[in-house]
Amino acid sequence: GAGVSQSPRYKVAKRGQDVALRCDPISGHVSLFWYQQALGQGPEFLTYFQNEAQLDKSGLPSDRFFAERPEGSVSTLKIQRTQQEDSAVYLCASSYAGFQPQHFGDGTRLSIL
Amino acid sequence: GENVEQHPSTLSVQEGDSAVIKCTYSDSASNYFPWYKQELGKGPQLIIDIRSNVGEKKDQRIAVTLNKTAKHFSLHITETQPEDSAVYFCAATNTNAGKSTFGDGTTLTVKP
Repeated sequence: GAGVSQSPRYKVAKRGQDVALRCDPISGHVSLFWYQQALGQGPEFLTYFQNEAQLDKSGLPSDRFFAERPEGSVSTLKIQRTQQEDSAVYLCASSYAGFQPQHFGDGTRLSIL
Repeated sequence: GENVEQHPSTLSVQEGDSAVIKCTYSDSASNYFPWYKQELGKGPQLIIDIRSNVGEKKDQRIAVTLNKTAKHFSLHITETQPEDSAVYFCAATNTNAGKSTFGDGTTLTVKP
């Protein structure tokens, strides 16, 4: 496809379950970013990849959050032992190089019950 | 770290009027300032961006200005249309070392 694709679009999980969110960046884009967007707020940076290397993970809220991009294309954000405060929209963005301009997917809305 | 403040949080204008959204940032190392439009259920869409070596940039009805000394930048939309109604986010980025920091958004409503 032409844009950044995220799946699933919606995910409902019980507290304590593990979840995995997928991001397919635009073909050829070197950089990939994950953001967390709470209701009524701007996206907050979680982590950044350049190809398969995770160059910055300073925004990950806890060690329950883990992201990978093993072949430098598709990325997965995993959240272990989910908690209610993890409920948010998780956005993925990619860029041809570096930090800009970023193209966003439509996000995964995660609800933890 | 970087801190971005965005005002106003809500803005209502009549169709055809202009709309202005302002952002301030704190980190003088920030050198790239994109603006995004986000519609309900969609991801942010880049509408215009400006780099720190430029003071103003225009694209049809949309313009952005940057004052590096004062550390603020603004989005200007002229001849607003109902389809401009959305949430707009500013962001500040240090492309050499840092991540993008977003403002909390402005909900723009254009009344027909």
